[in-house]
Amino acid sequence: SAVISQKPSRDICQRGTSLTIQCQVDSQVTMMFWYRQQPGQSLTLIATANQGSEATYESGFVIDKFPISRPNLTFSTLTVSNMSPEDSSIYLCSVDDRGTADTQYFGPGTRLTVL
Amino acid sequence: EDKVVQSPLSLVVHEGDTVTLNCSYEVTNFRSLLWYKQEKKAPTFLFMLTSSGIEKKSGRLSSILDKKELFSILNITATQTGDSAIYLCAANTGNQFYFGTGTSLTVIP
Repeated sequence: SAVISQKPSRDICQRGTSLTIQCQVDSQVTMMFWYRQQPGQSLTLIATANQGSEATYESGFVIDKFPISRPNLTFSTLTVSNMSPEDSSIYLCSVDDRGTADTQYFGPGTRLTVL
Repeated sequence: EDKVVQSPLSLVVHEGDTVTLNCSYEVTNFRSLLWYKQEKKAPTFLFMLTSSGIEKKSGRLSSILDKKELFSILNITATQTGDSAIYLCAANTGNQFYFGTGTSLTVIP
């Protein structure tokens, strides 16, 4: 399986600021995904990051709040903009397994706390 | 509406016990069922199930899928404290993975 790293692993931010989370994969992957996991909740898909095209956002998530970049097949960023305490969450990137869409593997996650 | 439901929500057992975790799903264009173990932050992959009745096994963990009744179970035998985690199941439609809310397992020494 692909090896995935995320930066930062955790951060504490002030309300109204923005944070960019980076996701790096050790191999080229077609699909990268960004999830949010709020305290006590399951994983919620924010968007699918496609290389060379706009990200596809799920209902309830918009590009202005969560802009995503996917400059190449091994890297993606998610920005959480104009943060509020409700954005406190774990943010996870994941990749599909060799483009088969059969299995997703997750990065180590970013724990974000907004004060 | 596509959904995945896990039960129980939480479970506390003693070391050596056997536990069964349940996952039922209702999704369109079901492709596979996956189990993950989540400790701290990131889920780690355990099993992928695509066919009914075929048990997947890894050490003390095993899982089976029933595509007729739309559910899967994850069994853990001879539990250890290191098994304490949240166990997530997800139904894959090929377009998206639908995650359940997880079962929080605590194994007491």
